[in-house]
Amino acid sequence: AQKITQTQPGMFVQEKEAVTLDCTYDTSDPSYGLFWYKQPSSGEMIFLIYQGSYDQQNATEGRYSLNFQKARKSANLVISASQLGDSAMYFCAMRESGFSGGYNKLIFGAGTRLAVHP
Amino acid sequence: DSGVTQTPKHLITATGQRVTLRCSPRSGDLSVYWYQQSLDQGLQFLIQYYNGEERAKGNILERFSAQQFPDLHSELNLSSLELGDSALYFCASSGLTGGTEAFFGQGTRLTVV
Repeated sequence: AQKITQTQPGMFVQEKEAVTLDCTYDTSDPSYGLFWYKQPSSGEMIFLIYQGSYDQQNATEGRYSLNFQKARKSANLVISASQLGDSAMYFCAMRESGFSGGYNKLIFGAGTRLAVHP
Repeated sequence: DSGVTQTPKHLITATGQRVTLRCSPRSGDLSVYWYQQSLDQGLQFLIQYYNGEERAKGNILERFSAQQFPDLHSELNLSSLELGDSALYFCASSGLTGGTEAFFGQGTRLTVV
């Protein structure tokens, strides 16, 4: 069964430094996608970055990059040059291969709360 | 703005009551997913609809039901509400961008008193 594990309940980082949030996953499906979301205190789920299981390169989106190590089944999120506004809950999620014309549900990890200190 | 619209944003109701949460997916997305986020259970998948048909079911209680209408908007009905149903309910949609993104609405915060 598919499973997402985030082992860091909380992390803190100094402003302008980089931080890595850990995520490991388990699936027997060779085709899957990995997602990271940010949830600020206001509650909305903000999509950050996506990595496909067949993608050869690590995904990057601005200050966010995904360190994808397929053999180790890990998909860590790296935030460079942290900002105060990065303080939030971060969720890793996985979606197994889709069906004709559509896509399956996301399975979420428990999340990591990141605090950025000035 | 994710393009997924949920109403209402907040809902306070009493135990035993019934409520309806509404979701409009992004234009062109055929799949709608409902998730529940509670403090003790985290983010749990409830149910998925694809082009009007139920596609997948998660840990959805029998007191809960959903449907997707021909215009693709969806409603989640919660009945015989209990205190433990208090949670943030999210709707998400996908399809248009080839599965590399999944966009969430802003959520409905339900408080059962």
